[in-house]
Amino acid sequence: DIVMTQSPDSLAVSLGERATISCKSNQTVLFSSNNKNYLAWYQQKPRQPPKVLIYWASTRESGVPDRFSGSGSGTDFTLTISSLQAEDVAVYYCQQYYSTPWTFGQGTKVEVK
Amino acid sequence: QITLKESGPTLVKPTQTLTLTCTFSGFSLSTSGLGVGWIRQPPGKALEWVALIYWDDDKRYSPSLKSRLTITKDTSKNEVVVTMTNMDPVDTATYYCAHVDIEAAPLNYWGQGTLVTVSS
Repeated sequence: DIVMTQSPDSLAVSLGERATISCKSNQTVLFSSNNKNYLAWYQQKPRQPPKVLIYWASTRESGVPDRFSGSGSGTDFTLTISSLQAEDVAVYYCQQYYSTPWTFGQGTKVEVK
Repeated sequence: QITLKESGPTLVKPTQTLTLTCTFSGFSLSTSGLGVGWIRQPPGKALEWVALIYWDDDKRYSPSLKSRLTITKDTSKNEVVVTMTNMDPVDTATYYCAHVDIEAAPLNYWGQGTLVTVSS
């Protein structure tokens, strides 16, 4: 299984400031034949299902605000919220879909400082 | 508009078999590239991928649960059913089904989830 490790487990950021979450995999999730990273980011608010924000490591899902961006390749990835808004308070998960079993990180809780 | 909804028992006893149904609309599981996945989340814990079935009936299971799981689809009814045998209290979780598109985001539409409690 590919193990996904996020850091930090939680972070508190002031409104309008940048939030950065790291996600590392213990194996590459870059598929060489199409040069795509099989890595997605999800946002989960309390009592709601997860919502996909980013896929292919850096492609923003339709309707997702452009303050959310994803970067990285291979085994190291980052989700950045460029200017934290109150509605961004949530738990964020990375997930690899390079191979089954698909695996998620342990989650990062983002709060307002 | 794609929607999914999970249904099934909210309470099962240890050793019983759980059967959950995902009823969806807005897409067909006969369409190439599509699938339905199941993901669960114990209370206060992280997401765990459970199983996945593709349009071509390719089935994938979590290795840790594989011996207990069966996933099937009924394309005519727009349903995917997952069964999990020998339920244990550690299987208490919210179970979600989600739409899969191999050309786009892997889990881009989710049901609201159903909480299954395993207790005697």
